[in-house]
Amino acid sequence: EDKVVQSPLSLVVHEGDTVTLNCSYEVTNFRSLLWYKQEKKAPTFLFMLTSSGIEKKSGRLSSILDKKELFSILNITATQTGDSAVYLCAVEAGDTDKLIFGTGTRLQVFP
Amino acid sequence: EPEVTQTPSHQVTQMGQEVILRCVPISNHLYFYWYRQILGQKVEFLVSFYNNEISEKSEIFDDQFSVERPDGSNFTLKIRSTKLEDSAMYFCASSYVRPGTGVGTEAFFGQGTRLTVV
Repeated sequence: EDKVVQSPLSLVVHEGDTVTLNCSYEVTNFRSLLWYKQEKKAPTFLFMLTSSGIEKKSGRLSSILDKKELFSILNITATQTGDSAVYLCAVEAGDTDKLIFGTGTRLQVFP
Repeated sequence: EPEVTQTPSHQVTQMGQEVILRCVPISNHLYFYWYRQILGQKVEFLVSFYNNEISEKSEIFDDQFSVERPDGSNFTLKIRSTKLEDSAMYFCASSYVRPGTGVGTEAFFGQGTRLTVV
């Protein structure tokens, strides 16, 4: 069965800290891995990764994929209170339209 | 910036009643989806829709569920006879092309409709 696992489940940091969120997967015929940020309701798209070793970057957020070891990390540097959210990892695999989501990592950033 | 819009934001219904959740996908997108998230659990795929028909559905999407694109802009999810366990946040999403086929294929999500069945 296809599986996406995120760790840690929860993280509490102070503003200015750097955090690393992990996502590992076991799927058949991997196509892509996506990161979303879920604040109150809608998951908002952050990154899509399809190739190993190529870092995607947007401001203080960056992400990289390792297709050999079957994981991705999401880094957030110099965290701000506005980064507080649930970060979701999702994988597209096989001949299917669906996204397979992990349980998410709840990040809380305190001033 | 274009966005997926969903209405209503919150719906309370009695068990056994029919509900229709509405979505307006991003205008040039061709693939449409419904996902749900039961409180405290993962986001789960329900159904995908392309070219005016269901492309794929999960085992959750049984005969009580149906989807429709009644006109050029709306995409609806109907639950015929709601059960307590249907209480969840329902997300509509859309993408321009089939997911995972390259850059620009990511799905964009709406704000969700919180369905509470009492």
